[in-house]
Amino acid sequence: KNQVEQSPQSLIILEGKNCTLQCNYTVSPFSNLRWYKQDTGRGPVSLTIMTFSENTKSNGRYTATLDADTKQSSLHITASQLSDSASYICVVTPLNDYKLSFGAGTTVTVRA
Amino acid sequence: EAQVTQNPRYLITVTGKKLTVTCSQNMNHEYMSWYRQDPGLGLRQIYYSMNVEVTDKGDVPEGYKVSRKEKRNFPLILESPSPNQTSLYFCASSLSITGGVYGYTFGSGTRLTVV
Repeated sequence: KNQVEQSPQSLIILEGKNCTLQCNYTVSPFSNLRWYKQDTGRGPVSLTIMTFSENTKSNGRYTATLDADTKQSSLHITASQLSDSASYICVVTPLNDYKLSFGAGTTVTVRA
Repeated sequence: EAQVTQNPRYLITVTGKKLTVTCSQNMNHEYMSWYRQDPGLGLRQIYYSMNVEVTDKGDVPEGYKVSRKEKRNFPLILESPSPNQTSLYFCASSLSITGGVYGYTFGSGTRLTVV
């Protein structure tokens, strides 16, 4: 069964600091890997998308990296802001299957 | 504004009382899907639809029904809700099953409590 595991489960950081979230997956082969941001009480919103041939993608202060050899992805948040407090979900789309594989998410809390 | 609209946002009901959660999208997306989100488990797919009149089971379809009579609407039906269906539900749509360039557009969620 394809799996996506995220770590840490949660983290607290001070405003202005950087942090990195991890996503390990077993889905193979895969079509693309996305990171979503989910604010409390809201639906997830797409942050980045990477195909298997890409190894980095940025969206403002968010930078996602992908190592297809080790099946790992990370999401780096630079100069965190209070509005970055949210859950971040890693989603992998298999190449030959329709079923997306969702990670359980990492909850980030940014404190002033 | 391009969006997925779910109603209601919050719902408390009693065991066994049939309910419907509506979902509508205005982006002419072919693909729509329902998910439930529970603490520590992430998003799990309930049902999905590739197009009008085409629906199929996801990972956790038991206790749910769906229909896709129109492209824009994809209601979720709980014929006889039970307390284990207490959860946060999301409807999502996209141009294609893989999400395409823009990914999935999610609704704001429906928090359902079954007592």
